[in-house]
Amino acid sequence: KNEVEQSPQNLTAQEGEFITINCSYSVGISALHWLQQHPGGGIVSLFMLSSGKKKHGRLIATINIQEKHSSLHITASHPRDSAVYICAVLRLGGGSQGNLIFGKGTKLSVKP
Amino acid sequence: DTAVSQTPKYLVTQMGNDKSIKCEQNLGHDTMYWYKQDSKKFLKIMFSYNNKELIINETVPNRFSPKSPDKAHLNLHINSLELGDSAVYFCASSHKSVWILHFGPGTRLTVT
Repeated sequence: KNEVEQSPQNLTAQEGEFITINCSYSVGISALHWLQQHPGGGIVSLFMLSSGKKKHGRLIATINIQEKHSSLHITASHPRDSAVYICAVLRLGGGSQGNLIFGKGTKLSVKP
Repeated sequence: DTAVSQTPKYLVTQMGNDKSIKCEQNLGHDTMYWYKQDSKKFLKIMFSYNNKELIINETVPNRFSPKSPDKAHLNLHINSLELGDSAVYFCASSHKSVWILHFGPGTRLTVT
């Protein structure tokens, strides 16, 4: 079992819907990242969280350290949000900040 | 003025060859990384490097070696290429005080 699990694996939504992607992890962490991989392959860092909640435009990321769980929400979804969303954690004592453990990603498709 | 660039974008080569992938960042970051994304789109850290320390994921074969001529560059050398090395390789960088990763566009390596 992977140390970082995401659900769902695939998600299809209609434009305008509220979307939630979940990430659970089984190790102690110092930080959690949400990444977006576009259909063309490029990867963009969306959020880095160590506690609480962050918001950027229509994207909201939350983390509950006690429950070892994070969620990524997209409000008023749009076809351009279609991408793979990847959760990654930096293990406590994991050394370099780039030494991340990745989830397998959630493929989101937003239909017009 | 691309922040993190990689060359080449595509690389097709035969088994047994030695190849290099170049990475350059113009963000003034102090740490650079190499990640491998396999055919199932699963990302794994290979190396992280700053001018003081190289951290190697112990699962990476010693046929892979990072070379950093200066702070802005981290090249990936691969000796005796094998079929299983076929993947997309991403370079990334970050600053030690800010944990946001900036990814390069990726290099798709195909070994035949």
